[in-house]
Amino acid sequence: GAVVSQHPSWVICKSGTSVKIECRSLDFQATTMFWYRQFPKQSLMLMATSNEGSKATYEQGVEKDKFLINHASLTLSTLTVTSAHPEDSSFYICSAIPWETQYFGPGTRLLVL
Amino acid sequence: GENVEQHPSTLSVQEGDSAVIKCTYSDSASNYFPWYKQELGKGPQLIIDIRSNVGEKKDQRIAVTLNKTAKHFSLHITETQPEDSAVYFCAATGNQFYFGTGTSLTVIP
Repeated sequence: GAVVSQHPSWVICKSGTSVKIECRSLDFQATTMFWYRQFPKQSLMLMATSNEGSKATYEQGVEKDKFLINHASLTLSTLTVTSAHPEDSSFYICSAIPWETQYFGPGTRLLVL
Repeated sequence: GENVEQHPSTLSVQEGDSAVIKCTYSDSASNYFPWYKQELGKGPQLIIDIRSNVGEKKDQRIAVTLNKTAKHFSLHITETQPEDSAVYFCAATGNQFYFGTGTSLTVIP
């Protein structure tokens, strides 16, 4: 199957700082990637759809100025949590669709102190 | 939009027994139904999928059945093992992906 990686796997930061999370497709090109957020014992919540070379599409209720998405190449999308606060602490997961199936990255656990 | 319901939310079985997780969907246009397994602290991993032109698919101890008329599909795990313990998500997709709410499966040794 296709491989999607994420970096970092976990990060701890101080409140008010910004954190960048990378999502890479390792063995395929992805014109579209997805960013999810997951709270403990809950399902995946789609935050935004990242489109290579154009603006991301955000789901209702997701602040685009808070969660900056850049999809600069066919194998890399980045999610930047700007001015992070404790309520942004969560598990962030990206995915891509090389054909019809979504393949997920391993996730990034963010803890904002 | 699509609505995918998944039941049960939690499931405990004895090792060696079978586990069944059921999902229903509402959009008739959905034509692809993957199942994901998510272990603690990891991203979901695709374990099996089924397309709308097939009624059943099996891969070793895992099988999925699809009833398009009734709009429901199920995951069957036989001879369960402790390492099967995880959260399982179903999904239905046509133009978009819609995930179920997840089932936390615990296999008791």
